[in-house]
Amino acid sequence: EPEVTQTPSHQVTQMGQEVILRCVPISNHLYFYWYRQILGQKVEFLVSFYNNEISEKSEIFDDQFSVERPDGSNFTLKIRSTKLEDSAMYFCASSEKHSTDTQYFGPGTRLTVL
Amino acid sequence: QQQVKQSPQSLIVQKGGISIINCAYENTAFDYFPWYQQFPGKGPALLIAIRPDVSEKKEGRFTISFNKSAKQFSLHIMDSQPGDSATYFCAAQNKAAGNKLTFGGGTRVLVKP
Repeated sequence: EPEVTQTPSHQVTQMGQEVILRCVPISNHLYFYWYRQILGQKVEFLVSFYNNEISEKSEIFDDQFSVERPDGSNFTLKIRSTKLEDSAMYFCASSEKHSTDTQYFGPGTRLTVL
Repeated sequence: QQQVKQSPQSLIVQKGGISIINCAYENTAFDYFPWYQQFPGKGPALLIAIRPDVSEKKEGRFTISFNKSAKQFSLHIMDSQPGDSATYFCAAQNKAAGNKLTFGGGTRVLVKP
């Protein structure tokens, strides 16, 4: 069964450093998303991406964040200058079309900012 | 208005029992209501989902009941098994907002053998 993959599984970085989290969505999917989950809390929406542009972003997704689909398979989340409060599990998701199509989540990248 | 409220926060049920998790929402723009199951260290996995024009959906041991007028929906897990021990999240999707999923706070379910 096709699945969303994410790399790395765990990223440790120093405060102020840039990180890039990578995702490979399911191949025929057109909609891509990033969510995050701070330890023990609920999953929070960051951004949705369709047709090479951002469809929607949350208030969390400020100027420090950016997303990109650099080629036909990868979808990346960049945090330019990490803060301690960026420590969380970051999940990539994808869906085939829109509306009621299921969003399939990857296994996540645990980001630890020291 | 964007929140989805979920209760209880945690639940202990005996093997074979019924687990019931409730969610409530405010935003009438939500158009799809999935439930996700999450095991420690893993990503959320879709369990079952419902559209607002349907009042109930059943898949195996899992049933969603949906009350559009009350803006509430619930997950029933019948014949609960130890393997069902996980955190369950309700969510609501808004197509007009880039398919944004708004998650409830989660319910940690423990099924005792």
